[in-house]
Amino acid sequence: SAVISQKPSRDICQRGTSLTIQCQVDSQVTMMFWYRQQPGQSLTLIATANQGSEATYESGFVIDKFPISRPNLTFSTLTVSNMSPEDSSIYLCSVSGQSNYNEQFFGPGTRLTVL
Amino acid sequence: GESVGLHLPTLSVQEGDNSIINCAYSNSASDYFIWYKQESGKGPQFIIDIRSNMDKRQGQRVTVLLNKTVKHLSLQIAATQPGDSAVYFCAENLSGGYNKLIFGAGTRLAVHP
Repeated sequence: SAVISQKPSRDICQRGTSLTIQCQVDSQVTMMFWYRQQPGQSLTLIATANQGSEATYESGFVIDKFPISRPNLTFSTLTVSNMSPEDSSIYLCSVSGQSNYNEQFFGPGTRLTVL
Repeated sequence: GESVGLHLPTLSVQEGDNSIINCAYSNSASDYFIWYKQESGKGPQFIIDIRSNMDKRQGQRVTVLLNKTVKHLSLQIAATQPGDSAVYFCAENLSGGYNKLIFGAGTRLAVHP
């Protein structure tokens, strides 16, 4: 298993500003994932982040809006840029299990409110 | 707690009863189908998975059924307990690498004493 922490746990931001969310894993992992979960809805994959390469973004998400860093095998950041109220969501990072790729371990999430 | 589950369909059951949570999927090429549980204020937690060439798999107090003909997945929870109250999501692991999960719509399970 993997233990994942995220910072901040929640934030309230003004529109037009940017917020960087940090994700720390207690073990080295190859792939990390970033998801968005809008209020009352399911999880939507934003991007997959591999160490040493550019993140792979899903349809509807672009690097200019959601730049991702992956400087090493235990850490990643997601920035939500030029925020609008529509960006208000819970943002979660996850990693794949080492023995079962279907078992992803999730952080507790970052609850973002944009005013 | 967080607002996860506020607008999702709700299944209400009595403690001790069996629960059946259903999910329809769309991608016939998925290798695996998975169930996750999300408690308020937490990230999703893996429950059980099933490979696409199987139709049933049992875990501890849970059974997953896969019907590929109608693209339907279900999670059965035996002797439901208050601790089972959460939002349940089905997910697909698409074939072709990356191991990325595509989550389906969730169902909120409310267990009443």
